Amino acid sequence: GAGVSQTPSNKVTEKGKYVELRCDPISGHTALYWYRQSLGQGPEFLIYFQGTGAADDSGLPNDRFFAVRPEGSVSTLKIQRTERGDSAVYLCASSLGLGADTQYFGPGTRLTVL
Amino acid sequence: QKEVEQNSGPLSVPEGAIASLNCTYSDRGSQSFFWYRQYSGKSPELIMSIYSNGDKEDGRFTAQLNKASQYVSLLIRDSQPSDSATYLCAVIFGAGSYQLTFGKGTKLSVIP
Repeated sequence: GAGVSQTPSNKVTEKGKYVELRCDPISGHTALYWYRQSLGQGPEFLIYFQGTGAADDSGLPNDRFFAVRPEGSVSTLKIQRTERGDSAVYLCASSLGLGADTQYFGPGTRLTVL
Repeated sequence: QKEVEQNSGPLSVPEGAIASLNCTYSDRGSQSFFWYRQYSGKSPELIMSIYSNGDKEDGRFTAQLNKASQYVSLLIRDSQPSDSATYLCAVIFGAGSYQLTFGKGTKLSVIP
């Protein structure tokens, strides 16, 4: 079956602009996670959803970052007033449920803020 | 502060040798531990999960957990050039949390 998909694969934007990053989880997976990974670092947790609700958004760095999952499947990570420090690979993962063992990662979206 | 520490490497081993990757974590109460492999430019892929003290074997991979020492390791036997990648240790800290906290990863190179 299909894995986690993310679009776009690459996004280049200018400082101050708004961006949306999309994640389509594995069919049937109710839990969805967002991480971001900077060069030479491990992934850093941002937020996770169980169904439509954000169960833990403690990793969002500030109020410029927001994520939604309105129908419990596809999720969108939204970044307002982008800054150069937001440049990273944004990874989405899904699992069968919050208690499930394996988080399956998508290919990521590489965001570059000029 | 919840932290996961790994030696960034690079760790170089000859083909056929055993590669040993190590990880320490800050919270003694942690229950869930994972090893992910990440090829350059790709996303992390789960290799092993371990929850109890001792060893867990899966093919050429063995995960070892020592909660008293707050230490988890990954052994790769009969290392192959295709094992060359960055290995990420990840921990779920505390009950009721499902976020993975990752170390920075150890870059492994297996030399033919």
